[in-house]
Amino acid sequence: DTEVTQTPKHLVMGMTNKKSLKCEQHMGHRAMYWYKQKAKKPPELMFVYSYEKLSINESVPSRFSPECPNSSLLNLHLHALQPEDSALYLCASSPGRAENEQYFGPGTRLTVT
Amino acid sequence: LAKTTQPISMDSYEGQEVNITCSHNNIATNDYITWYQQFPSQGPRFIIQGYKTKVTNEVASLFIPADRKSSTLSLPRVSLSDTAVYYCLVGAYSGAGSYQLTFGKGTKLSVIP
Repeated sequence: DTEVTQTPKHLVMGMTNKKSLKCEQHMGHRAMYWYKQKAKKPPELMFVYSYEKLSINESVPSRFSPECPNSSLLNLHLHALQPEDSALYLCASSPGRAENEQYFGPGTRLTVT
Repeated sequence: LAKTTQPISMDSYEGQEVNITCSHNNIATNDYITWYQQFPSQGPRFIIQGYKTKVTNEVASLFIPADRKSSTLSLPRVSLSDTAVYYCLVGAYSGAGSYQLTFGKGTKLSVIP
């Protein structure tokens, strides 16, 4: 299995909702990432987990809460989001620690109403 | 943090070789140069990575001059399916939670029949 899967593909949520995005990989990779991508912009790094520990948090608002239950799973918990948080949320993984060669999932298209 | 500069867009006819150059004047000693391809509404896909001189794989070649202040991604004989955004990245994991990796603004390549 050489892919990163993300669920759901699309998500619409209100500003008072709580939802979660899920990411999974079975390549034995030990680093996993969350990115946010707005339309016609490059991906922006949000969080990096290395060996299941949060190693990098790029000053992301607390309404985004990452979780890494095990080396294959990565969640992003969402609460009290704003309409400007609407974007494509991408998950990626890499073999070892934070690295430049990453494997990306297809993303979750999030719309906050 | 090394900043990258690449052309916003390029057009090419099918069957031609395409060269996309990325400038990274303040690249650090530890930094690797990585290129990704992204189709609309999909996650980026790793293309190639290098540190110096030339790297070639089944998809592309990467040329890096001795001063490493720029790099050129070369795509041989492009087809319509190569129409995508190409991102140049410069960065590295420096240990102790220090990870510098920022996507450039990307080059939108349009292949014309």
